[in-house]
This record gives sequence, structure tokens and C-alpha cells, in this order.
Amino acid sequence: DGGITQSPKYLFRKEGQNVTLSCEQNLNHDAMYWYRQDPGQGLRLIYYSQIVNDFQKGDIAEGYSVSREKKESFPLTVTSAQKNPTAFYLCASSIGRLNQPQHFGDGTRLSIL
Amino acid sequence: DAKTTQPNSMESNEEEPVHLPCNHSTISGTDYIHWYRQLPSQGPEYVIHGLTSNVNNRMASLAIAEDRKSSTLILHRATLRDAAVYYCILRDVRGTDKLIFGTGTRLQVFP
Repeated sequence: DGGITQSPKYLFRKEGQNVTLSCEQNLNHDAMYWYRQDPGQGLRLIYYSQIVNDFQKGDIAEGYSVSREKKESFPLTVTSAQKNPTAFYLCASSIGRLNQPQHFGDGTRLSIL
Repeated sequence: DAKTTQPNSMESNEEEPVHLPCNHSTISGTDYIHWYRQLPSQGPEYVIHGLTSNVNNRMASLAIAEDRKSSTLILHRATLRDAAVYYCILRDVRGTDKLIFGTGTRLQVFP
């Protein structure tokens, strides 16, 4: 079945460590997105990419980095510069034309050790 | 970006209709109204969207006020699996493709 796969489901980070969250889609979608969700809150956009080898900062990009070397993959690195990384991270993809639905993965929950 | 206002929570009994309201008094002519829902510990799921006319799909119906300043998501017969947080979101066709989520409405469904 087509869909979005995020891994791992749970991730723990030590102080000063960078960690990378994986997001893979087999929907042949051009656009991909990373959101962050804090408890009881809505989602906030971190980064998005509308085409391979191109991406833009969202509303809360500081402390995060991304790459888009392949159409199906959009990994997110949470760097040590992100001082409050504990959150639920969601990846999404869409055809890329406005008003087309975004399809979400099941998320990665990141915690600090 | 235009904002939306939703009640924090609503309750329903199973097999009853549910009407989830959303106010968007500052909506512009190029804003589409989108609804997503999020079940616990899962990513959001697209439900429905519309511009001016009412819309129906297999999941729900969307009723849009004539002045477009409010809309209502209608679940015709609530099931326990419909218990989720429902987000009403405006997307401007002229803007970026991002979704701006508020805090949504938490729907509880009782057997």
C-alpha cells in the first residue's frame, strides 16, 4: 500500500547529540513537510520541500536541518542547537498543488535523556 | 494568514449526528476551508475541504455559510472511531502550501 513511513517511532537524544528522523513516501508526491507538535497544541511547520534538491524554512526552523536528495525521502536532523527538542514530529507529503490534501505519517516521538 | 476559532471540546453519543463548528470571520476570497482530524498518537488525516458550496464525501459533509465566515463539519452518524481532535484550517491558494493548525476541537463519543 502507498503511504508515508516514519522511523523510528520513539527516539531518545542525549544532551549535545544530533539525531536524524527518517521519512519515506511511496506516493510519488513532489512536496514533503516536517511538523512539530507539542502536548495539547496544533502542529507547527519546521521545513518543507516542493521539489527534489530544494527546501524552505517553515515557522520554527531554528535548530533543525533537512535534505531532499531523493523524491521519496526527506530526513530531518534535530541538532544540538535545538534546546527543547522533546516533541512529536510528523512528516507529510502532497502532490504539491495547493488544495490537495497532505498525507501524514504516524510520527516520531523524541525525548531527551 | 486568516485564523479560525473552534470550541475546545464537544461530546456526542454513538450513532448520533455531530456538528462541529468553525468561525473564520477574516476569511478572504481565495481561502479554502480544510478539515483534518487526528486520532491519539497518530498523524492528522484529511477529512474534507471546500470553497463556497457545501461538500460531501464518504467521511463527512461540510456546510459553508453564505457569507463564508463560518462552516460546520457534519459527521452523520458518530462512531467510537470518530473520537479525535478535529482541525479547521484555511488555505490561501495564493500562499505557500503549509497548513496552519490551531488547537482544534476534541470530540468525545460515548457508547
